[in-house]
Amino acid sequence: DAKTTQPNSMESNEEEPVHLPCNHSTISGTDYIHWYRQLPSQGPEYVIHGLTSNVNNRMASLAIAEDRKSSTLILHRATLRDAAVYYCILRDGAAGNKLTFGGGTRVLVKP
Amino acid sequence: GAVVSQHPSWVICKSGTSVKIECRSLDFQATTMFWYRQFPKQSLMLMATSNEGSKATYEQGVEKDKFLINHASLTLSTLTVTSAHPEDSSFYICSASRDRNSNQPQHFGDGTRLSIL
Repeated sequence: DAKTTQPNSMESNEEEPVHLPCNHSTISGTDYIHWYRQLPSQGPEYVIHGLTSNVNNRMASLAIAEDRKSSTLILHRATLRDAAVYYCILRDGAAGNKLTFGGGTRVLVKP
Repeated sequence: GAVVSQHPSWVICKSGTSVKIECRSLDFQATTMFWYRQFPKQSLMLMATSNEGSKATYEQGVEKDKFLINHASLTLSTLTVTSAHPEDSSFYICSASRDRNSNQPQHFGDGTRLSIL
């Protein structure tokens, strides 16, 4: 499985944007880039995903580098409820579409 | 939005007991479901892929006779931890996907916290 590398933790102030980087230099052409987040004592929650083009939804934006070797999840205005562990995952259709979770980035939002 | 329901939310039982956890997709049919385990302060670890109407596919190192998976319908998969011991205490999480397409997100249950005394 192609692996991803994320910083262990990041801090942000409430109402400010948060940029979460993810490196995936061994990504293959058919891998989709998925982001999930996990709040304490809950199952993960889908955030966003993309293949090549940047993507926006009501939760976040995903910026994908032109060579696809990195991506950035953007939370436009962090709230206290956005404090969670954010996972960047490559989803490989050839491997049965299973998700392999890495360590993720723990986001702390300060009031 | 899509909802996956997991039951029970938490279980406390004695060593040697078998425990069954249910995972239901409430508003879509899930041909594939996944079971994960998460220890405190660690990431999720995939245990097995549950396929409707066929045998589950287990990840390396996961004992299939210990963790029995049944996916009898398109909306229900069950994980049974047989003869559970304290080292099986963990947070078990299921997820479901509408199909095998890698463009489709997985939807997760809220997890089952299992404590074996």
